[in-house]
Amino acid sequence: GQNIDQPTEMTATEGAIVQINCTYQTSGFNGLFWYQQHAGEAPTFLSYNVLDGLEEKGRFSSFLSRSKGYSYLLLKELQMKDSASYLCAVREGGSARQLTFGSGTQLTVLP
Amino acid sequence: DAEITQSPRHKITETGRQVTLACHQTWNHNNMFWYRQDLGHGLRLIHYSYGVHDTNKGEVSDGYSVSRSNTEDLPLTLESAASSQTSVYFCASRPGGSGNEQFFGPGTRLTVL
Repeated sequence: GQNIDQPTEMTATEGAIVQINCTYQTSGFNGLFWYQQHAGEAPTFLSYNVLDGLEEKGRFSSFLSRSKGYSYLLLKELQMKDSASYLCAVREGGSARQLTFGSGTQLTVLP
Repeated sequence: DAEITQSPRHKITETGRQVTLACHQTWNHNNMFWYRQDLGHGLRLIHYSYGVHDTNKGEVSDGYSVSRSNTEDLPLTLESAASSQTSVYFCASRPGGSGNEQFFGPGTRLTVL
């Protein structure tokens, strides 16, 4: 089985930087995904990490440490539209193609 | 453009009724998934399929069934709806390959009275 933990809520100010952490315990590991979900909408893909290190994509970056079972999503130059829930998801090793999701972190960006 | 759709988008039903939620994707993806999303639980996997005639149980499969008769569709059936199945249901699909993400449909909000 898998256990994925992330903070329930976070608040930050427009223009600031925020880091959303995710820790996981899995019997196998074959990749970690971050999704963004605005209220009332479907999740949309943000990033994928399978090797240790930082993946940068514009204002968003994602980091992975497999030995520590740890990832974070870094959002820079926050905008009001970044207010959303951020979901961490892990894929087990082997032939598994399904994801296990954390409960999500609700980020509120204040003016 | 290729897409993934769900219908209906909203459904109200009564306890004990059979309900089927449709999911249709035009990407020709082999892998399809059904999730439910409830406050405090995030997305939980109900059933999934890796191809035609293949179905597998997820974390919360009790009371649900799926069938995969073609690549495009994975309908989700609630055999006898219960109030505990009131939720938002998301369908997703993904192509083969280790790094590919899942693409989600717009969701179906189901209320069981």
